[in-house]
Amino acid sequence: AQKVTQAQTEISVVEKEDVTLDCVYETRDTTYYLFWYKQPPSGELVFLIRRNSFDEQNEISGRYSWNFQKSTSSFNFTITASQVVDSAVYFCALSEAGLDGGFKTIFGAGTRLFVKA
Amino acid sequence: DGGITQSPKYLFRKEGQNVTLSCEQNLNHDAMYWYRQDPGQGLRLIYYSQIVNDFQKGDIAEGYSVSREKKESFPLTVTSAQKNPTAFYLCASRRTTRDRGQPQHFGDGTRLSIL
Repeated sequence: AQKVTQAQTEISVVEKEDVTLDCVYETRDTTYYLFWYKQPPSGELVFLIRRNSFDEQNEISGRYSWNFQKSTSSFNFTITASQVVDSAVYFCALSEAGLDGGFKTIFGAGTRLFVKA
Repeated sequence: DGGITQSPKYLFRKEGQNVTLSCEQNLNHDAMYWYRQDPGQGLRLIYYSQIVNDFQKGDIAEGYSVSREKKESFPLTVTSAQKNPTAFYLCASRRTTRDRGQPQHFGDGTRLSIL
Protein backbone atom coordinates (compact mmCIF):
# COMPACT_ATOMS: atom_id res chain seq x y z
CA ALA A 1 0.00 0.00 0.00
CA GLN A 2 1.06 3.52 -0.66
CA LYS A 3 1.61 5.55 2.49
CA VAL A 4 3.00 8.94 3.53
CA THR A 5 4.13 9.56 7.11
CA GLN A 6 4.72 12.94 8.65
CA ALA A 7 5.69 12.06 12.18
CA GLN A 8 5.85 15.64 13.45
CA THR A 9 2.34 16.79 14.32
CA GLU A 10 3.33 20.30 15.44
CA ILE A 11 6.56 22.25 15.48
CA SER A 12 7.11 25.59 17.17
CA VAL A 13 10.13 27.76 16.43
CA VAL A 14 11.20 31.33 16.98
CA GLU A 15 11.58 33.58 13.98
CA LYS A 16 14.92 33.24 12.15
CA GLU A 17 15.44 29.66 13.28
CA ASP A 18 15.86 26.94 10.67
CA VAL A 19 13.30 24.14 10.72
CA THR A 20 13.06 20.79 8.93
CA LEU A 21 9.79 19.00 8.25
CA ASP A 22 10.14 15.26 7.82
CA CYS A 23 8.35 13.08 5.28
CA VAL A 24 8.75 9.33 4.83
CA TYR A 25 6.87 7.42 2.17
CA GLU A 26 6.13 3.85 1.12
CA THR A 27 5.42 2.75 -2.43
CA ARG A 28 5.82 -0.27 -4.68
CA ASP A 29 5.82 1.88 -7.80
CA THR A 30 9.17 2.38 -9.51
CA THR A 31 8.03 5.66 -10.99
CA TYR A 32 6.34 8.11 -8.67
CA TYR A 33 6.11 11.76 -7.75
CA LEU A 34 6.32 13.45 -4.38
CA PHE A 35 4.87 16.84 -3.53
CA TRP A 36 4.85 19.42 -0.75
CA TYR A 37 1.86 21.70 -0.20
CA LYS A 38 1.35 24.59 2.23
CA GLN A 39 -2.01 25.27 3.89
CA PRO A 40 -2.15 28.77 5.44
CA PRO A 41 -4.98 29.73 7.83
CA SER A 42 -7.14 30.72 4.85
CA GLY A 43 -7.52 27.00 4.10
CA GLU A 44 -6.41 26.73 0.47
CA LEU A 45 -3.55 24.31 -0.20
CA VAL A 46 -0.74 25.88 -2.19
CA PHE A 47 1.62 23.73 -4.25
CA LEU A 48 5.30 24.22 -3.33
CA ILE A 49 7.34 21.59 -5.14
CA ARG A 50 7.26 18.21 -6.86
CA ARG A 51 10.02 15.67 -7.33
CA ASN A 52 9.99 12.56 -9.51
CA SER A 53 11.56 9.31 -8.39
CA PHE A 54 14.42 9.53 -10.91
CA ASP A 55 15.63 12.93 -9.83
CA GLU A 56 17.46 12.84 -6.50
CA GLN A 57 18.99 16.26 -6.79
CA ASN A 58 18.26 18.51 -3.89
CA GLU A 59 16.48 21.73 -4.69
CA ILE A 60 16.67 25.20 -3.21
CA SER A 61 14.17 27.98 -3.77
CA GLY A 62 14.91 31.05 -1.72
CA ARG A 63 14.60 30.08 1.96
CA TYR A 64 13.11 26.70 1.06
CA SER A 65 15.10 23.56 0.31
CA TRP A 66 14.18 19.94 -0.22
CA ASN A 67 16.25 16.81 0.41
CA PHE A 68 15.07 13.72 -1.48
CA GLN A 69 16.75 10.45 -0.46
CA LYS A 70 15.44 7.40 -2.25
CA SER A 71 17.56 5.06 -0.14
CA THR A 72 15.66 6.07 3.00
CA SER A 73 12.35 6.88 1.25
CA SER A 74 12.41 10.39 2.62
CA PHE A 75 11.59 13.80 1.16
CA ASN A 76 12.34 16.37 3.85
CA PHE A 77 11.63 20.09 3.65
CA THR A 78 13.78 22.75 5.31
CA ILE A 79 12.89 26.38 5.86
CA THR A 80 15.91 28.57 6.55
CA ALA A 81 15.56 31.70 8.68
CA SER A 82 11.88 31.08 9.32
CA GLN A 83 9.40 33.95 9.31
CA VAL A 84 5.99 34.42 10.91
CA VAL A 85 4.40 34.13 7.45
CA ASP A 86 5.69 30.56 7.25
CA SER A 87 3.18 29.55 9.94
CA ALA A 88 0.91 27.02 8.27
CA VAL A 89 0.18 23.33 7.93
CA TYR A 90 2.52 21.58 5.50
CA PHE A 91 1.53 18.42 3.66
CA CYS A 92 3.76 15.90 1.96
CA ALA A 93 2.05 13.84 -0.76
CA LEU A 94 2.70 10.91 -3.10
CA SER A 95 1.10 10.14 -6.46
CA GLU A 96 -0.59 6.77 -6.70
CA ALA A 97 -1.88 4.83 -9.71
CA GLY A 98 -5.66 4.46 -9.60
CA LEU A 99 -7.55 1.37 -10.71
CA ASP A 100 -8.98 3.23 -13.69
CA GLY A 101 -5.58 4.13 -15.12
CA GLY A 102 -5.51 7.62 -13.70
CA PHE A 103 -3.49 8.81 -10.73
CA LYS A 104 -4.55 9.84 -7.25
CA THR A 105 -2.64 11.66 -4.55
CA ILE A 106 -1.99 10.25 -1.07
CA PHE A 107 -1.47 12.93 1.56
CA GLY A 108 0.36 12.72 4.85
CA ALA A 109 -1.37 13.91 8.01
CA GLY A 110 0.40 17.25 7.86
CA THR A 111 2.77 19.14 10.15
CA ARG A 112 1.55 22.35 11.75
CA LEU A 113 4.35 24.90 11.98
CA PHE A 114 4.16 27.83 14.40
CA VAL A 115 6.73 30.57 13.93
CA LYS A 116 6.79 33.01 16.81
CA ALA A 117 8.04 36.58 16.48
CA ASP B 1 -7.44 35.01 -12.77
CA GLY B 2 -8.05 31.26 -13.13
CA GLY B 3 -8.88 29.29 -10.05
CA ILE B 4 -11.31 27.19 -8.07
CA THR B 5 -14.29 28.68 -6.28
CA GLN B 6 -15.98 26.84 -3.47
CA SER B 7 -19.21 27.96 -1.85
CA PRO B 8 -20.44 28.50 0.71
CA LYS B 9 -17.50 29.07 3.02
CA TYR B 10 -19.53 27.88 6.03
CA LEU B 11 -22.50 25.52 5.99
CA PHE B 12 -24.71 24.08 8.68
CA ARG B 13 -26.68 20.88 8.34
CA LYS B 14 -29.71 19.78 10.28
CA GLU B 15 -30.43 16.15 11.12
CA GLY B 16 -31.80 14.21 8.14
CA GLN B 17 -30.93 16.95 5.69
CA ASN B 18 -28.93 16.70 2.48
CA VAL B 19 -26.65 19.61 1.70
CA THR B 20 -24.72 20.44 -1.47
CA LEU B 21 -21.29 22.02 -1.64
CA SER B 22 -20.43 23.88 -4.81
CA CYS B 23 -17.13 23.71 -6.67
CA GLU B 24 -16.46 25.63 -9.89
CA GLN B 25 -13.18 25.90 -11.81
CA ASN B 26 -12.18 28.07 -14.77
CA LEU B 27 -8.80 26.43 -15.33
CA ASN B 28 -10.09 24.17 -18.12
CA HIS B 29 -8.91 21.17 -16.10
CA ASP B 30 -10.22 17.71 -16.92
CA ALA B 31 -9.91 16.18 -13.46
CA MET B 32 -11.63 17.31 -10.28
CA TYR B 33 -11.50 15.97 -6.73
CA TRP B 34 -13.26 16.24 -3.39
CA TYR B 35 -11.35 15.78 -0.16
CA ARG B 36 -12.40 15.73 3.45
CA GLN B 37 -10.01 17.15 6.06
CA ASP B 38 -10.32 16.25 9.74
CA PRO B 39 -7.89 17.48 12.41
CA GLY B 40 -4.72 15.38 12.47
CA GLN B 41 -5.81 13.14 9.59
CA GLY B 42 -4.68 14.98 6.53
CA LEU B 43 -6.81 14.87 3.39
CA ARG B 44 -8.93 11.87 2.46
CA LEU B 45 -10.35 11.41 -1.02
CA ILE B 46 -14.15 11.25 -1.30
CA TYR B 47 -14.76 11.24 -5.08
CA TYR B 48 -12.92 12.19 -8.21
CA SER B 49 -13.81 12.74 -11.83
CA GLN B 50 -11.53 12.48 -14.85
CA ILE B 51 -14.04 13.64 -17.43
CA VAL B 52 -17.55 14.98 -17.78
CA ASN B 53 -20.30 12.49 -16.87
CA ASP B 54 -17.83 10.14 -15.21
CA PHE B 55 -16.68 9.89 -11.60
CA GLN B 56 -15.07 7.35 -9.29
CA LYS B 57 -15.36 6.65 -5.59
CA GLY B 58 -12.43 7.54 -3.41
CA ASP B 59 -11.51 6.11 -0.04
CA ILE B 60 -14.47 7.46 1.94
CA ALA B 61 -17.38 7.78 -0.51
CA GLU B 62 -20.13 6.40 1.73
CA GLY B 63 -22.74 9.03 2.55
CA TYR B 64 -21.67 11.32 -0.29
CA SER B 65 -22.72 11.77 -3.91
CA VAL B 66 -21.40 13.85 -6.81
CA SER B 67 -22.24 14.79 -10.37
CA ARG B 68 -20.16 16.08 -13.26
CA GLU B 69 -22.53 17.46 -15.87
CA LYS B 70 -20.18 20.26 -16.92
CA LYS B 71 -16.41 20.39 -17.10
CA GLU B 72 -16.29 23.43 -14.82
CA SER B 73 -18.53 22.10 -12.06
CA PHE B 74 -18.25 19.23 -9.57
CA PRO B 75 -20.81 19.61 -6.76
CA LEU B 76 -20.69 17.37 -3.70
CA THR B 77 -23.85 16.36 -1.83
CA VAL B 78 -23.50 15.29 1.78
CA THR B 79 -26.48 13.04 2.39
CA SER B 80 -28.26 12.21 5.62
CA ALA B 81 -26.52 8.82 5.45
CA GLN B 82 -23.23 10.52 6.37
CA LYS B 83 -23.49 10.37 10.15
CA ASN B 84 -20.40 12.40 10.93
CA PRO B 85 -20.27 15.16 8.32
CA THR B 86 -18.55 17.83 10.42
CA ALA B 87 -15.29 18.55 8.60
CA PHE B 88 -13.48 20.87 6.23
CA TYR B 89 -14.16 19.99 2.57
CA LEU B 90 -11.68 20.85 -0.15
CA CYS B 91 -12.23 20.74 -3.88
CA ALA B 92 -9.26 20.40 -6.22
CA SER B 93 -8.53 20.11 -9.90
CA ARG B 94 -5.74 18.90 -12.12
CA ARG B 95 -5.27 19.36 -15.86
CA THR B 96 -5.43 15.59 -16.34
CA THR B 97 -5.18 12.51 -14.17
CA ARG B 98 -2.99 10.79 -16.79
CA ASP B 99 0.15 12.65 -15.75
CA ARG B 100 0.99 11.79 -12.16
CA GLY B 101 3.51 14.61 -11.97
CA GLN B 102 0.96 17.38 -12.18
CA PRO B 103 0.14 19.18 -8.94
CA GLN B 104 -3.41 19.86 -7.88
CA HIS B 105 -5.02 23.28 -7.54
CA PHE B 106 -7.26 23.78 -4.52
CA GLY B 107 -10.20 25.93 -3.55
CA ASP B 108 -10.55 27.76 -0.22
CA GLY B 109 -12.73 25.04 1.27
CA THR B 110 -16.15 24.74 2.89
CA ARG B 111 -16.50 24.15 6.61
CA LEU B 112 -19.55 21.99 7.34
CA SER B 113 -21.04 21.68 10.81
CA ILE B 114 -24.03 19.93 12.34
CA LEU B 115 -26.73 22.07 13.93
